[in-house]
Amino acid sequence: DAGITQSPRHKVTETGTPVTLRCHQTENHRYMYWYRQDPGHGLRLIHYSYGVKDTDKGEVSDGYSVSRSKTEDFLLTLESATSSQTSVYFCAIAHREGRETQYFGPGTRLLVL
Amino acid sequence: QKEVEQNSGPLSVPEGAIASLNCTYSDRGSQSFFWYRQYSGKSPELIMFIYSNGDKEDGRFTAQLNKASQYVSLLIRDSQPSDSATYLCAVMNSGYSTLTFGKGTMLLVSP
Repeated sequence: DAGITQSPRHKVTETGTPVTLRCHQTENHRYMYWYRQDPGHGLRLIHYSYGVKDTDKGEVSDGYSVSRSKTEDFLLTLESATSSQTSVYFCAIAHREGRETQYFGPGTRLLVL
Repeated sequence: QKEVEQNSGPLSVPEGAIASLNCTYSDRGSQSFFWYRQYSGKSPELIMFIYSNGDKEDGRFTAQLNKASQYVSLLIRDSQPSDSATYLCAVMNSGYSTLTFGKGTMLLVSP
């Protein structure tokens, strides 16, 4: 599992509330990513990080922010959750095997009512 | 916008047959290609990666890459019911190793 944990694993929240998802890794990987997965859309990149305090936007970043204050933790925040953010969220790290290869965490299922 | 295309399936094959999964990509400059397997309700699991034109074999799996045709495929020999899953093709983007994924092909292997 590449030493990746995500918390919470399941969450139900209401529209308009803030939500923070946590990704924790134990192997000191520099690159970390947040994806969401929705039926009909596949996996789409939200944000990524290439080091402590170094982050950038992905394909579907609107409504999301991230922070990385230490190597092992990458936080994804929905400032004001909407029903369209109901999804499964996956964190990934990039491990270098000749070239970078991504491994995924177990995922967080988020339901916004 | 870089695109990765896969047939959604389902692709149905009998046990013991060869399953062939295909993927095309739009960015001619792409260099690294990945196949992930995802069981229902689980996270994607890396099966194969390939960087060079030609075939790469790992057990029952063979990845094939044709950069001129912008085409990647995954062959699964001696398919087993446990291979039933969704297979995701991914292409690495330049920069910070981000991935663009196809929507996945569902494979069903019947006993």
